[in-house]
Amino acid sequence: SQTIHQWPATLVQPVGSPLSLECTVEGTSNPNLYWYRQAAGRGLQLLFYSVGIGQISSEVPQNLSASRPQDRQFILSSKKLLLSDSGFYLCAWSSVTTEAFFGQGTRLTVV
Amino acid sequence: AQTVTQSQPEMSVQEAETVTLSCTYDTSESDYYLFWYKQPPSRQMILVIRQEAYKQQNATENRFSVNFQKAAKSFSLKISDSQLGDAAMYFCAYVGLILTGGGNKLTFGTGTQLKVEL
Repeated sequence: SQTIHQWPATLVQPVGSPLSLECTVEGTSNPNLYWYRQAAGRGLQLLFYSVGIGQISSEVPQNLSASRPQDRQFILSSKKLLLSDSGFYLCAWSSVTTEAFFGQGTRLTVV
Repeated sequence: AQTVTQSQPEMSVQEAETVTLSCTYDTSESDYYLFWYKQPPSRQMILVIRQEAYKQQNATENRFSVNFQKAAKSFSLKISDSQLGDAAMYFCAYVGLILTGGGNKLTFGTGTQLKVEL
């Protein structure tokens, strides 16, 4: 069966520090991968999505970036965090005809 | 570009009553999937129900059913016999089946917070 792992669950980082959130998927190949951000009590903002290795589409211009070094690995990064980067980050995967399956999420607080 | 609109930021329902959450979407595609997700306070995203656009029959899952109106691009969720555990944020989502440049992008609405009252 398919499984998605996202870590860490909670992260507190100072302003200006780098960020790396990792997401891996098991039990499927060539998934579509997504990074979403959710502010408290708000909807899901699509940040990046990927349909294959090295193929990244950015939805929101900002100081975040994403990479997909392997088929089932998706990484969200930042060189210098801003206060406004605080939020709940969700990784998800899907195939063409299925619903999205979500990780447990990462609660990021930038202080 | 596809968009998904949920015009009800909050809804309330009495326990055991029925509530309907609204969702509209905009697309030029003819083949796509629609979903309703539930996000309880734990923030885990849980799939509630899915609908294939080519199917005329409305999807149902126990107490959850949808009213899919393809021509009107409407996809509402009906929750019958509401329970306290149904209290959550509900998101409507769309994914097209035609690869367009960047592929199949899963798009969400802004969500509806459902409160269930005793």
